Amino acid sequence: GNSVTQMEGPVTLSEEAFLTINCTYTATGYPSLFWYVQYPGEGLQLLLKATKADDKGSNKGFEATYRKETTSFHLEKGSVQVSDSAVYFCALTEIGGTSYGKLTFGQGTILTVHP
Amino acid sequence: SQTIHQWPATLVQPVGSPLSLECTVEGTSNPNLYWYRQAAGRGLQLLFYSIGIDQISSEVPQNLSASRPQDRQFILSSKKLLLSDSGFYLCAWAGTGIGYTFGSGTRLTVV
Repeated sequence: GNSVTQMEGPVTLSEEAFLTINCTYTATGYPSLFWYVQYPGEGLQLLLKATKADDKGSNKGFEATYRKETTSFHLEKGSVQVSDSAVYFCALTEIGGTSYGKLTFGQGTILTVHP
Repeated sequence: SQTIHQWPATLVQPVGSPLSLECTVEGTSNPNLYWYRQAAGRGLQLLFYSIGIDQISSEVPQNLSASRPQDRQFILSSKKLLLSDSGFYLCAWAGTGIGYTFGSGTRLTVV
């Protein structure tokens, strides 16, 4: 079956620091990959996505590259802000077949950014 | 534009009481619909998904059930809540494109 493994948190950084949250996956087919963000007390929002190998998803200064050879989709940001404090989820889905678009999530990584 | 509504936002229920959480989608037809649960300090677990009216699939055995009486309505229910049912419940839909839109979530506390 499919699975997603994220680096364990929590991650605590100072403002303007560089952020990396590791994500690796296993999949039986050729998945699409996502990063979702959950701000305190809210639901999940799509942060970025990539649908094929070597695609780079980007949004709000965050980036992640779909690496098929290493089955990874690490999230990076060059300079974090206090407002980036949230829980970040890596996820995958396979299109077609009997997957019905179900998402498989990693366990989530709590990010706290201090001023 | 497509929107998803989920209510209530918070709920405190005693053990043994019934539960009904509702989710509706607007601006789309025949979406795939999903219920996820996020237990405290843990990731998201898919509970149910539906590809059409009255077509429900359960991912894990549990104390909950789901129904889809209309194309854009998805209901999560329980006849008797357990303490272990506490968590943050999220409804989501996926259309013809890739990716989900999530509702704002319901925080359920069973006491």
